[in-house]
Amino acid sequence: EAGVAQSPRYKIIEKRQSVAFWCNPISGHATLYWYQQILGQGPKLLIQFQNNGVVDDSQLPKDRFSAERLKGVDSTLKIQPAKLEDSAVYLCASSFRFSGSSQFFGPGTRLTVL
Amino acid sequence: AQRVTQPEKLLSVFKGAPVELKCNYSYSGSPELFWYVQYSRQRLQLLLRHISRESIKGFTADLNKGETSFHLKKPFAQEEDSAMYYCALRVTQGGSEKLVFGKGTKLTVNP
Repeated sequence: EAGVAQSPRYKIIEKRQSVAFWCNPISGHATLYWYQQILGQGPKLLIQFQNNGVVDDSQLPKDRFSAERLKGVDSTLKIQPAKLEDSAVYLCASSFRFSGSSQFFGPGTRLTVL
Repeated sequence: AQRVTQPEKLLSVFKGAPVELKCNYSYSGSPELFWYVQYSRQRLQLLLRHISRESIKGFTADLNKGETSFHLKKPFAQEEDSAMYYCALRVTQGGSEKLVFGKGTKLTVNP
């Protein structure tokens, strides 16, 4: 079984620029999560999708971050414009169903904002 | 508010020694706890969950609701156990379910 795929693996941009991350979850997994992991901290949930609908985006900075999951499979997370404090690893995870399933993580995208 | 605390940022032991990684939580609901591990250059992966009550790679963890703890233990540490360990709490609120992670403990097992 292929794992969660993410791209790019690394991205360096200057502040005020835009950036997008892509995630392909494990086939058949209905729930998809985006986490932000700042250096020295644990992952923090940004947004959660159930199929193509948003379940929880309470911790997503909506003035600059957006995410979509068209067709309930792949997902894209965008930051526009980026700030220095957005430097972090962005993790995508998926689980088979909404409740009670284990989450499987992708390798992450390391973003550096200069 | 829900919170997971891992008091040790770094933990260093010698091979063959016992190891205990501490985790405390704060949650008003019925807790479900997990330990995730990240080996060098690998992705975050589930190590064990308290409801399974199983031993993975020699590690065990018991949920103590009285002390609100879920410490990870292994009687004899191996060099390959060196990794980042994260304790996580599954939280249900407002119809959604999410994981709240601690800040992690970096375990180093010395030869």
